[in-house]
Amino acid sequence: DVVMTQSPRSLPVTLGQPASISCRSSQGLVFSDGITYLSWFQQRPGQSPRRLIYKVSNRDSGVPDRFSGSGSGTDFTLEISRVEAEDVGVYFCMQATHWPPLTFGGGTKVEIK
Amino acid sequence: EVQLVESGGGLVEPGGSLRLSCVASGFTFSSYWMSWVRQAPGKGLEWVANIKEDGSETYYVDSVKGRFTISRDNGKNSLYLQLNTLRGEDTAMYYCVRGFSHSSGWFDSWGRGTLVTVSS
Repeated sequence: DVVMTQSPRSLPVTLGQPASISCRSSQGLVFSDGITYLSWFQQRPGQSPRRLIYKVSNRDSGVPDRFSGSGSGTDFTLEISRVEAEDVGVYFCMQATHWPPLTFGGGTKVEIK
Repeated sequence: EVQLVESGGGLVEPGGSLRLSCVASGFTFSSYWMSWVRQAPGKGLEWVANIKEDGSETYYVDSVKGRFTISRDNGKNSLYLQLNTLRGEDTAMYYCVRGFSHSSGWFDSWGRGTLVTVSS
């Protein structure tokens, strides 16, 4: 199984400042079709998860452009250019290249300092 | 607007059974893989099962193989998860998730979830 390792597990951030979350996979995530199926999800308190980014760097409809995804191979990053209060929650990365099983990272809790 | 509405959760004793349902709307249900993902209280996300567009292929996480069965009825735009021989570690919020399309990849829409509690 592909293990997804996120860091940090907790990320206190000042409003208006940038934030960065790392996700590392135990295997490369390029599928046979050449696509890297790495996604990022946000889960606000008391809500269902919501996908923010798919295929490493594609932003979902309605996702603010302060969110961006990057990376390749086994190292991936979610960046928030300027954190806002509504960004508080837990962020998960997920790989869907080598499945079953599809696997998620352990999550990173973003909070305001 | 894509909507996924789960139902069927509840309190069940260890060894018991439940059937979860998910009604989909706002998209062509029969054109998508569908999935169930669960989240134990205060924990992370765990993929549970996938089913292909026509129901011809199903896949499960090892911990539920032989106990859970995913199925669908494309005529009713509905996804199901039959949970048998339930254990305490199956206690979780179960989310119905739109699975895969070539254009948008995996897990682009989630339901609100239905809570399964396994306890005596």
